[in-house]
Amino acid sequence: EPEVTQTPSHQVTQMGQEVILRCVPISNHLYFYWYRQILGQKVEFLVSFYNNEISEKSEIFDDQFSVERPDGSNFTLKIRSTKLEDSAMYFCASSRTRQETQYFGPGTRLLVL
Amino acid sequence: AQKVTQAQTEISVVEKEDVTLDCVYETRDTTYYLFWYKQPPSGELVFLIRRNSFDEQNEISGRYSWNFQKSTSSFNFTITASQVVDSAVYFCALSPSQGGSEKLVFGKGMKLTVNP
Repeated sequence: EPEVTQTPSHQVTQMGQEVILRCVPISNHLYFYWYRQILGQKVEFLVSFYNNEISEKSEIFDDQFSVERPDGSNFTLKIRSTKLEDSAMYFCASSRTRQETQYFGPGTRLLVL
Repeated sequence: AQKVTQAQTEISVVEKEDVTLDCVYETRDTTYYLFWYKQPPSGELVFLIRRNSFDEQNEISGRYSWNFQKSTSSFNFTITASQVVDSAVYFCALSPSQGGSEKLVFGKGMKLTVNP
């Protein structure tokens, strides 16, 4: 069964450093998403992406964040200058259409020191 | 604005007990989807079910069942004869089925511990 994959599974970085989180969505899916979950809290929407552009973003998704689909398979989330409060689990998700179920990857646990 | 409330934060049961996880939602949308996701200790989010707001039929899948009541804006999830492997955090979520938003709005989650 096709799955969303994410790399790395864990990342530790120093405050102020740039990080890139990678995702490979399910191959026939057209809509891509990033969510984050601060430890022990609920899952929060960051951004959705369709047809090579952002279709929706939350207030969390400020200028420090960017997303890209650099090729036909990868979908990336970049945090330009990480802050301590960016420490969280980041989930990538994809769906075939906007109305269909979003399937989540296993997450990348980011720790900013 | 959309909101999902899972009033229970943590439940602990003994194996083979039945347990119901409550979910109450708020939305102004006339059509929407409701979801349950499971997050086991390993951390991934596993899709369990999606319901369209037009479909109020209850659903059963093995030991899992869902009770959708539009009149009370609730979408409760029952696990029958719980097992240790059911131990996880369970999230209820909501999204519009029409309109511009695609995002899922999650509740805070409910941690279920099933003890042997």
